[in-house]
Amino acid sequence: QKEVEQDPGPLSVPEGAIVSLNCTYSNSAFQYFMWYRQYSRKGPELLMYTYSSGNKEDGRFTAQVDKSSKYISLFIRDSQPSDSATYLCAFGIIQGAQKLVFGQGTRLTINP
Amino acid sequence: GAVVSQHPSRVICKSGTSVKIECRSLDFQATTMFWYRQFPKKSLMLMATSNEGSKATYEQGVEKDKFLINHASLTLSTLTVTSAHPEDSSFYICSAGHEQFFGPGTRLTVL
Repeated sequence: QKEVEQDPGPLSVPEGAIVSLNCTYSNSAFQYFMWYRQYSRKGPELLMYTYSSGNKEDGRFTAQVDKSSKYISLFIRDSQPSDSATYLCAFGIIQGAQKLVFGQGTRLTINP
Repeated sequence: GAVVSQHPSRVICKSGTSVKIECRSLDFQATTMFWYRQFPKKSLMLMATSNEGSKATYEQGVEKDKFLINHASLTLSTLTVTSAHPEDSSFYICSAGHEQFFGPGTRLTVL
């Protein structure tokens, strides 16, 4: 079983739709959960990070963590064409080397 | 968020030459920086963890002598690809900070 599973897509939705991106993980030691956005030929940009189960909202973005099910989600409301990018989930452990484990990334296209 | 820069953004070199890539944290200090490699349409592959003032920690399968890492200060880490070959062509990205802020990446093309 992979440590992190993320559907690579591609996912294509119309402008204004609500987008749901998901990752599952198997390592119970993960303590913080992150979402990055990466545009083509650019470095990843940190969108959201959280340490606990529940929801965290920032503008049109909501990150949801369910530790009991080992499942995290990123919701994008009122999606815009500028949201078209690859979204990567990432997981980390606070102690030790602080390495992150990344999902494969989901390619998202918002159609005008 | 914090800013991480990389230089150069793009480099084309001949096979057999060495290429140095710099990663700088511009507005914070980072005792640890990370170097990743990314192939087209693939996720990030961690190559090594760069530790200020000590040796880097390499991931399994990454050649230490091929990818030299130096972390001489709290704001600068360098990755040198020695005797580069076409198969080393890739997108190299560094990150720094607990939340791992990423640099913009360096695209290396080896002819």
